[in-house]
Amino acid sequence: DFQLTQSPSFLSASVGDRVTITCRASQGISTYLAWYQQKPRKAPKLLIYAASTLQSGVPSRFRGSGSGTEFTLTISSLQPEDFATYYCQQLNSYPPGAFGQGTMVEIK
Amino acid sequence: QVQLVESGGGLVKPGGSLRLSCAASGFSFSDYYMNWIRQAPAKGLEWVSFISKSGTTIYYADSVKGRFTISRDNAKNSLYLQMNSLRAEDTAVYYCAKSLDPLFPYDAFDVWGRGTVVTVSS
Repeated sequence: DFQLTQSPSFLSASVGDRVTITCRASQGISTYLAWYQQKPRKAPKLLIYAASTLQSGVPSRFRGSGSGTEFTLTISSLQPEDFATYYCQQLNSYPPGAFGQGTMVEIK
Repeated sequence: QVQLVESGGGLVKPGGSLRLSCAASGFSFSDYYMNWIRQAPAKGLEWVSFISKSGTTIYYADSVKGRFTISRDNAKNSLYLQMNSLRAEDTAVYYCAKSLDPLFPYDAFDVWGRGTVVTVSS
């Protein structure tokens, strides 16, 4: 079965920190990967698609990279509004919309 | 503005049924692939089902296959999820979401509804 594995599951960071989240696919998915941000009791928000394309309106401190089986989401300078849970999603293999298990970013 | 609004959630007993609806506005609904995603309490996101623009291609997660049915009515700008034989583990917030690009079936989800809560409990 296809799997997406995010790491870490939880990270504690301070405002201004550089933060990196990794998503690994069990098989190659080219650049068919998206990243979402979800805040408590809110719907997820699309940040990045096609592994590295920034969705309209998303701040440039968010950057996506990678291809094949390893992907990263980097926040260059963490802001107070960035404390949330982040999910990767593969858009290649069946099931077409499977998500990673999430990474919760909390304030240190 | 582009908007999705879910409805139809509620409390249902195990083995019961519910029909969720998702009303779309602000975009040409018939031009976009649509999906249902759910999130159990304190858990991550789980993709549930996909439907093509015309409704002819449909996929389900293994966890709901044979119990849930996705459909759409392009004339009414609406997406549906018929849920039968509900189980406690189906308890979740259910979101509908629109695919980003009308040309790509398996694209990112750029617009989400606020969700509707389904609770399966006796």
